[in-house]
Amino acid sequence: EAQVTQNPRYLITVTGKKLTVTCSQNMNHEYMSWYRQDPGLGLRQIYYSMNVEVTDKGDVPEGYKVSRKEKRNFPLILESPSPNQTSLYFCASRPGQGYTGELFFGEGSRLTVL
Amino acid sequence: QKEVEQNSGPLSVPEGAIASLNCTYSDRGSQSFFWYRQYSGKSPELIMFIYSNGDKEDGRFTAQLNKASQYVSLLIRDSQPSDSATYLCAVKLGAGFQKLVFGTGTRLLVSP
Repeated sequence: EAQVTQNPRYLITVTGKKLTVTCSQNMNHEYMSWYRQDPGLGLRQIYYSMNVEVTDKGDVPEGYKVSRKEKRNFPLILESPSPNQTSLYFCASRPGQGYTGELFFGEGSRLTVL
Repeated sequence: QKEVEQNSGPLSVPEGAIASLNCTYSDRGSQSFFWYRQYSGKSPELIMFIYSNGDKEDGRFTAQLNKASQYVSLLIRDSQPSDSATYLCAVKLGAGFQKLVFGTGTRLLVSP
């Protein structure tokens, strides 16, 4: 089954404790992206990747890191989480340049930072 | 001005009525337009996409695009309580590939 898989789905952590949210897709997509969703603010892009070893900042990259060492994986790293990073996070993917269709979303990861 | 704007709602309609959801965008060069449905706490799922001016119909859903006025709308005919969700408008800004910008969504409530 074609899918984007995120883990963990739910996480409660404390300020400053490094965490990684994993994202993996099995569709051989070149493009992957991370979004956060907050009430009243909608989906905002954090980082995206056009292909392996190619990443770029989205609209709200502060406090986050990403890496793309393999085509299928695009982890989101919070080096020192803070309460304002409490949010619902979505990973998404799609085929590469020239594709004009939809984004495929993971199921989401709800993160709470105390 | 926000790049993609939607009324947050809620938009309340009775079962069986037509729900009309609207979205405006700022970039005249935008080429691709998407409507996603999102249930609370779930991931967005694609309902419709439209690239050309005019109407595009798929079952109970019709997407309408007017590039001159920079708006895109979604009509849901014969609304059902199961249509109650937040509807996100997404626009691929400009002629390039990368940036897909989402509106904040309109919450739709369909009452039995």
